[in-house]
Amino acid sequence: ELQLVESGGGLVQPGRSLRLSCAAFGFTFDDYAIHWVRQAPGKGLEWVSSISWSGGSTVYAGSVQGRFTLSRDNAKNSLYLQMNSLRTEDTAVYFCAKQGTNSWGDQFYYMDVWGTGTTVTVSS
Amino acid sequence: SYELTQPPSVSVSPGQTARITCSADPLPKQYAFWYQQRPGQSPVVLIYKDTERPSGIPERFSGSSSGTTVTLTISGVQAEDEADYYCQTADRTGTIVFGGGTKLTVL
Repeated sequence: ELQLVESGGGLVQPGRSLRLSCAAFGFTFDDYAIHWVRQAPGKGLEWVSSISWSGGSTVYAGSVQGRFTLSRDNAKNSLYLQMNSLRTEDTAVYFCAKQGTNSWGDQFYYMDVWGTGTTVTVSS
Repeated sequence: SYELTQPPSVSVSPGQTARITCSADPLPKQYAFWYQQRPGQSPVVLIYKDTERPSGIPERFSGSSSGTTVTLTISGVQAEDEADYYCQTADRTGTIVFGGGTKLTVL
């Protein structure tokens, strides 16, 4: 079964750091780009960051650019989101999600497998 | 980057057809994708590349595109379809954008 499992969330004070992890199961991890999407309490989905299959290319939302760093270890089928200088507005459930494909395996910028999310609360 | 505009809410009675629109600004529109999110659950993709339906998604869910507006149509709405629905697109740099979401209420 294709599965993504996030971990590392918790309560952190403003200005501090936190590292989220995402472990992949059931598919060839290094074939796919992976994305992070967050959802603040009672709010909609917000894309955070994406990383290419090799880890050689990353893209960030403007709201996290310069504070968050996304990396991956394909040997461990894992992804890491380093979050620095956290703000109260970063409080959210963070989901990792696998890049989606069509029937022939061509990849497109969407998410076809999602984890259950990990909760980050930034508060003093 | 793009902005995607969705109506905040749509209400329909069971068995009726629900249509949720998503307007893109600026031009041109890239492919659109649709997700369903039930309370407390992770999103599930319903439609990819404007009109394609992944395996396992009921046929009552369909997508269409016209100009800079894409539409998710749910035919024969069921009580279990009550959820939040999001459209999504991406520009050529891989910057991904979600619409604000539409809450579907089944009366």
